[in-house]
Amino acid sequence: EVLMTQSPATLSVSPGERATLSCRASQSVSINLAWYQQKPGQAPRLLIYAASIRATGIPARFSGSGSGTEFTLTISSLQSEDFAVYFCQHYNNWPRTFGQGTKVEIK
Amino acid sequence: EVQLLESGGGLVQPGGSLRLSCAASGFTFSGDAMTWVRQVPGKGLEWVSGISGIGGTTYYADSVKGRFTISRDNSKNTMYLQMNSLRAEDTAVYYCAKGWTFMDYWGQGTLVTVSS
Repeated sequence: EVLMTQSPATLSVSPGERATLSCRASQSVSINLAWYQQKPGQAPRLLIYAASIRATGIPARFSGSGSGTEFTLTISSLQSEDFAVYFCQHYNNWPRTFGQGTKVEIK
Repeated sequence: EVQLLESGGGLVQPGGSLRLSCAASGFTFSGDAMTWVRQVPGKGLEWVSGISGIGGTTYYADSVKGRFTISRDNSKNTMYLQMNSLRAEDTAVYYCAKGWTFMDYWGQGTLVTVSS
C-alpha cells in the first residue's frame, strides 16, 4: 500500500498570498496523482488530476506539479473561497490511498 | 448535469448489516467505473471500494475485505455497498464517486453510525 504524506498539516495564509502544499508518496506513483478540495459540510471536489491537469471549471490560480514521489499544489493568490482542506490521492495501483489533508486557514 | 445521490445510511448495532445505494444521473452510468470513499467526521478520506463499469471487476480496502460487497445495476443507474459484520470503526460518512482513478464527481454522502 502506498502511503501518502501531506505537509504541513495546517497552513496559515493571508488572502492574496501564495500557498504551497506538499504531498509525498512512499513509492513512485508516476503522475497518477489527484488533488481535492473539501469545505466543511461538503463533499470533496476534484481540482487536479494527472498531477498537473486542472479539472473542469477549476480556476487557473490552482496549479499542480511533480512526479514520482514528490508533488505540490500551489494556489497563486488565495481567495476567501479557497480556505478549506486539501487532500492528495494516488491512483497508480490498488488500493487507492489519500493523504491526511492540509487545512488552509486564514492568517 | 452529473448527480450522485447516496441513501441507506443510519444507525446500526455492531455486527449488523446495512446496504447503501448511490443513484446516478447525468452521464452514461455503464460507461464509468465507480467508487465508495468514507470519512470519519472531522478526519481524512479513506478509499473503500471500486467497481468497473460493467461490474465484473471489483477492489476493496483491506479494512473491509470479506465484509463489504460492492455491486451495481446498470439498468437502474445505481451502485450499492452491502456492509455486513459492521464494527464501530466503520462509523463514517460514505460517499459515492464517479470514476476509479481520480474521482471527478461526488455525492453528498450518507452517514453510517455503528453503535449499541
